[in-house]
Amino acid sequence: NAGVTQTPKFRVLKTGQSMTLLCAQDMNHEYMYWYRQDPGMGLRLIHYSVGEGTTAKGEVPDGYNVSRLKKQNFLLGLESAAPSQTSVYFCASSYIGELFFGEGSRLTVL
Amino acid sequence: AQSVTQLGSHVSVSEGALVLLRCNYSSSVPPYLFWYVQYPNQGLQLLLKYTTGATLVKGINGFEAEFKKSETSFHLTKPSAHMSDAAEYFCAVSDSGGTSYGKLTFGQGTILTVHP
Repeated sequence: NAGVTQTPKFRVLKTGQSMTLLCAQDMNHEYMYWYRQDPGMGLRLIHYSVGEGTTAKGEVPDGYNVSRLKKQNFLLGLESAAPSQTSVYFCASSYIGELFFGEGSRLTVL
Repeated sequence: AQSVTQLGSHVSVSEGALVLLRCNYSSSVPPYLFWYVQYPNQGLQLLLKYTTGATLVKGINGFEAEFKKSETSFHLTKPSAHMSDAAEYFCAVSDSGGTSYGKLTFGQGTILTVHP
């Protein structure tokens, strides 16, 4: 089983560039999440979705947008990347209280 | 608002020794509590969770944790450390509501090192 798949796994951007991270899950989960992980800060919730066509803001939503057009996909967009968005991004889906994480996408903004 | 504090960003033990990773939380509602493990360059994997019922929770790889409401703690233990336990461990809390399951608040993480 693929579980939760994130693409790309690595990306380097210049300040001001835009990009989209794709998350795909094959477990038919309703809930999906985007977190960012920074050293010494644990994981922080960026945006989440409780079903197809719905999105909501998490703890640190500024500078990011998301879309959930299909149940299995959850896209995270950066419209104008900033160095403060250098991080490791994790997508997750959940079922009955357990989060299933992807392997992460490491983004560097120069 | 919820918060999680993990005491000690680094913990070092000898192989075979007791592992104790400390977690304290604050929550205005009955919490759901989790421990996740992260191996290098991988995503997080659920070790165990507390939702309701028995306060001593057993997880994978011989780990267990006890929910102590009076102490607002959820410490993770393992009687005998193995080299393969070396990883980063995260404690997390969520509100006890259906749509809140995945809206976790994480602690800052504890890196566990196991010495031969």
